Amino acid sequence: DTAVSQTPKYLVTQMGNDKSIKCEQNLGHDTMYWYKQDSKKFLKIMFSYNNKELIINETVPNRFSPKSPDKAHLNLHINSLELGDSAVYFCASSQRTYEQYFGPGTRLTVT
Amino acid sequence: QQQVKQSPQSLIVQKGGISIINCAYENTAFDYFPWYQQFPGKGPALLIAIRPDVSEKKEGRFTISFNKSAKQFSLHIMDSQPGDSATYFCAARENFGNEKLTFGTGTRLTIIP
Repeated sequence: DTAVSQTPKYLVTQMGNDKSIKCEQNLGHDTMYWYKQDSKKFLKIMFSYNNKELIINETVPNRFSPKSPDKAHLNLHINSLELGDSAVYFCASSQRTYEQYFGPGTRLTVT
Repeated sequence: QQQVKQSPQSLIVQKGGISIINCAYENTAFDYFPWYQQFPGKGPALLIAIRPDVSEKKEGRFTISFNKSAKQFSLHIMDSQPGDSATYFCAARENFGNEKLTFGTGTRLTIIP
């Protein structure tokens, strides 16, 4: 009965590779988010989708591309991975009640 | 530019003591102020939240104090317990309807026996 799930939990890859992280929520929420948490624990929003429509797109390199096939899923594809992309990526969802529910995170390590 | 400033960066409190974490903001368009708790290896989880029309909100041992004129808000944890050891984030949301949360930089709280 996981509310927000992400796969994979850990991702180790080499520079230059392309990788994807998947997120699914079973809460019936219509808004989903991607956050990046760096090594200093700083949490920063990257993208937000509402009913498959992009509503927040922060200053993120265009190597990062979110895809929302339906309102329960929001995937993150990253092209040409760089060392600085190493971080923990969190997916979250909300239903306009202000509370955002976060997934368990995906720790990405680029070597 | 950090829109929500949080302090201290780390905090050590004895069991049974009061833990206090402070946040300040500049943007008057913020209309919702949540606190999130994050344990190692987990995602952040909502702990307690306040709207600016009240000055205090209490839920169990957790209290938010809000000072609208000073643009400051704080989290107080009474009777702090070792299980409260975690990283705490304040956040603020703009009232533009896009539900964007801006987070503070986090406070690592350690409760010692």
